[in-house]
Amino acid sequence: GAGVSQSPSNKVTEKGKDVELRCDPISGHTALYWYRQSLGQGLEFLIYFQGNSAPDKSGLPSDRFSAERTGGSVSTLTIQRTQQEDSAVYLCASSADRGGETQYFGPGTRLLVL
Amino acid sequence: SQQGEEDPQALSIQEGENATMNCSYKTSINNLQWYRQNSGRGLVHLILIRSNEREKHSGRLRVTLDTSKKSSSLLITASRAADTASYFCRAGNMLTFGGGTRLMVKP
Repeated sequence: GAGVSQSPSNKVTEKGKDVELRCDPISGHTALYWYRQSLGQGLEFLIYFQGNSAPDKSGLPSDRFSAERTGGSVSTLTIQRTQQEDSAVYLCASSADRGGETQYFGPGTRLLVL
Repeated sequence: SQQGEEDPQALSIQEGENATMNCSYKTSINNLQWYRQNSGRGLVHLILIRSNEREKHSGRLRVTLDTSKKSSSLLITASRAADTASYFCRAGNMLTFGGGTRLMVKP
């Protein structure tokens, strides 16, 4: 597609369940970023992938969060044993590289943990 | 530490007025980007200014960059109700964003 896509758009889950969020970056983009945004707050960096390099996981809030990027394209963010404080919008972005160029964002996944 | 910090945190103006928001950063950069976000969804890139540029225009947007002060400003002229959104800056290739400026334009 022409832009970054994310699925699902919305996800409601029960506390304790695992969830998987998907991001399809723009074709050819080597850099992929995950962010989290709680209601009324700024963006919180979670994890960054650049090509075949080891990902920068410095923003992951706990070991319940993990992400992978298969084949240098699609990425999946997994949250295990979800908690109510995980409720937020999860945003994915991609860029051609990490040379400071423009990030292109997907529409986000709105996660609600009951 | 966050690289780009916007101020003010919130700004409320009347339609037709100009809106100015600022961004400060801490280290040397090769460019600075401004983004807009509506309703908590994905950010949309507005404009990129390179370190060797002092001012850049795009439609009703004017961005300035002062590398000596490590600051940038975004000016929206003749604002419209549709400009109501949050605005974020990103300094260079930083992974983090500031808290953004929430702009409300009243019709």
